[in-house]
Amino acid sequence: GAVVSQHPSWVICKSGTSVKIECRSLDFQATTMFWYRQFPKQSLMLMATSNEGSKATYEQGVEKDKFLINHASLTLSTLTVTSAHPEDSSFYICSARGDITHYEQYFGPGTRLTVT
Amino acid sequence: GENVEQHPSTLSVQEGDSAVIKCTYSDSASNYFPWYKQELGKGPQLIIDIRSNVGEKKDQRIAVTLNKTAKHFSLHITETQPEDSAVYFCAARLGGTSYGKLTFGQGTILTVHP
Repeated sequence: GAVVSQHPSWVICKSGTSVKIECRSLDFQATTMFWYRQFPKQSLMLMATSNEGSKATYEQGVEKDKFLINHASLTLSTLTVTSAHPEDSSFYICSARGDITHYEQYFGPGTRLTVT
Repeated sequence: GENVEQHPSTLSVQEGDSAVIKCTYSDSASNYFPWYKQELGKGPQLIIDIRSNVGEKKDQRIAVTLNKTAKHFSLHITETQPEDSAVYFCAARLGGTSYGKLTFGQGTILTVHP
C-alpha cells in the first residue's frame, strides 16, 4: 500500500506555544489529505479535509484559527496547533488519498502531542 | 449525516478460532467500506476494503462481506493469531462519491489468547 509519514512522532511543548506537525505522502501524490484527532480508547475524529492548493474544510466545532492546516503541495500537508493548551494534548493522525488511490485512504503513524 | 455502528466493542478469542466484527451504516448511498487495524501507539493500517458493487472480498485469512439491502458489512478473520490482537475500525464513505469523507465505527478491541 501507499506510505504516509508524519513528523514528529511525539512532541512536548509548553502551554501558549505553537507546534507544527508535518504529513507526507512518500510514494504517491495526495490530492486530498485529512487530519484526525484521537483520544485514548476512542475512535478517530475528523478535524479537517484539505485539497492541494485550496483552503481546508473544517469539521463543526474545530477552531480553524487554532488548528492551521496548509496543503501547499501534493506530497505535504502541515497542521499547526497555535497557542497550545493542555486540553490540546492528543494523538494527531493524518491521512491521504491520491491520484492513484482514489478510494483507498492511507494513514500516517500519528503524532503524540503533550502540552505542559 | 452518515452514522456507523460497530459491534462488539471487545472480542476475546483463542488462537486458531475465528473472529467476526459487524458494522451497520445509515446512508444507503455509501459505496466504499474499508477496515483498519490499529496497534497501540500507531496509526490505522488499511487491511481490506470492499466497494458496493461487490458482496464479498477475501485476502488470505481476512474477508469482508457486504449486505447492501440490510446496510451492514462484516470483517471475518480466520485462524486468528496473537499478532492479530489490535483495535479494528470499520468505516463507510459518506455520500456515495469517491471523494467523500470516511465515517468510522467506534472500534473493536480484539484480543487473541495463545
